[in-house]
Amino acid sequence: AQSVSQHNHHVILSEAASLELGCNYSYGGTVNLFWYVQYPGQHLQLLLKYFSGDPLVKGIKGFEAEFIKSKFSFNLRKPSVQWSDTAEYFCAVRRNYGGSQGNLIFGKGTKLSVKP
Amino acid sequence: DSGVTQTPKHLITATGQRVTLRCSPRSGDLSVYWYQQSLDQGLQFLIQYYNGEERAKGNILERFSAQQFPDLHSELNLSSLELGDSALYFCASSARTGETDTQYFGPGTRLTVL
Repeated sequence: AQSVSQHNHHVILSEAASLELGCNYSYGGTVNLFWYVQYPGQHLQLLLKYFSGDPLVKGIKGFEAEFIKSKFSFNLRKPSVQWSDTAEYFCAVRRNYGGSQGNLIFGKGTKLSVKP
Repeated sequence: DSGVTQTPKHLITATGQRVTLRCSPRSGDLSVYWYQQSLDQGLQFLIQYYNGEERAKGNILERFSAQQFPDLHSELNLSSLELGDSALYFCASSARTGETDTQYFGPGTRLTVL
């Protein structure tokens, strides 16, 4: 069965540290890739997405992600985190069946705690 | 604010009961998706509707059902509730259902079954 793996359950960083959150998926076909963020008590917000083209994708709030097809990975990065980045981060994959279905398959999430 | 609205925000009910969760998609969006977020299972896709018709089914229990109405709002019906159904239920919407669609999530309904 297709799965999405996020390697770290909980990451604790100090402000200004660099961040990299891992995401791997198991599906071999064409995929769309997403990172969503969930701030405490809030709903999921889209950080960035990859559909095609340049594998380095820039999102909101200084986040970026790199799609490496050969590694089935889509890691999220930020050069310098802030306390306000404390949240849970979800990687999601959508398989393409030629456009007929659109549901996302989510990883288990990574909680990021940034110490001021 | 994503433009997707969900009501109610919180719901507390007892085992064996039935509840209805409501979702209004972003203006113009034809697709609605329901997801369940629980501590043990994470975020799981339940069901998708596109322009009133069921398009895809995920890990949705037989006790659960959904529909999308002509005005495109959707309702998720949960019946014979069990303790394990306690979770956050998210609705998401997208313009269509194609490869370049992005899903926007609502604030969720937190269901507590006692």
